[in-house]
Amino acid sequence: GEDVEQSLFLSVREGDSSVINCTYTDSSSTYLYWYKQEPGAGLQLLTYIFSNMDMKQDQRLTVLLNKKDKHLSLRIADTQTGDSAIYFCAEIRAGSYQLTFGKGTKLSVIP
Amino acid sequence: DVKVTQSSRYLVKRTGEKVFLECVQDMDHENMFWYRQDPGLGLRLIYFSYDVKMKEKGDIPEGYSVSREKKERFSLILESASTNQTSMYLCASSFSNQPQHFGDGTRLSIL
Repeated sequence: GEDVEQSLFLSVREGDSSVINCTYTDSSSTYLYWYKQEPGAGLQLLTYIFSNMDMKQDQRLTVLLNKKDKHLSLRIADTQTGDSAIYFCAEIRAGSYQLTFGKGTKLSVIP
Repeated sequence: DVKVTQSSRYLVKRTGEKVFLECVQDMDHENMFWYRQDPGLGLRLIYFSYDVKMKEKGDIPEGYSVSREKKERFSLILESASTNQTSMYLCASSFSNQPQHFGDGTRLSIL
């Protein structure tokens, strides 16, 4: 299909790991991004991965990329209440500067 | 750090008014973007610009126009505001195909 797809909701307990999944559309996408949006705020770039990488780790964040399945995931280790937010997956397609976003996954962290 | 500043966090206007939303970035980015964000619909691209005085339509340009007279400033104009333009508006900027950086958003209500 044409859409970047994500689950709409995820609920985890504080201290557990969170895994947010995304399926993107274009096998020629050059960059894939994760953005975080806290209530009432704009989007904050969390991390991104080049399409020629399989994994990227940045402190508590791990991004995994499966190009064959066009599947991207974001793992947050030791999830904290401050991680409660909406997380957007986005891709940049080859030859474009435009981002195509998923609809966002709302992560709720239960104390 | 990249700073993208939107002129207003909250704005209330009346149907039929001409509305200007302003966005300024301080990193000499050539690309600037306007999105609107609505519950259940995610982010949708309204217009974007690759350079001064250049503009391109995004996915939902109807009812909007833009102006880019200076590299650092990108204005979104609602020619005659309507209630269905009540939304959260997000501005972003980027260099080439690097990650887009977002402002904090303007929550616009049209009465």
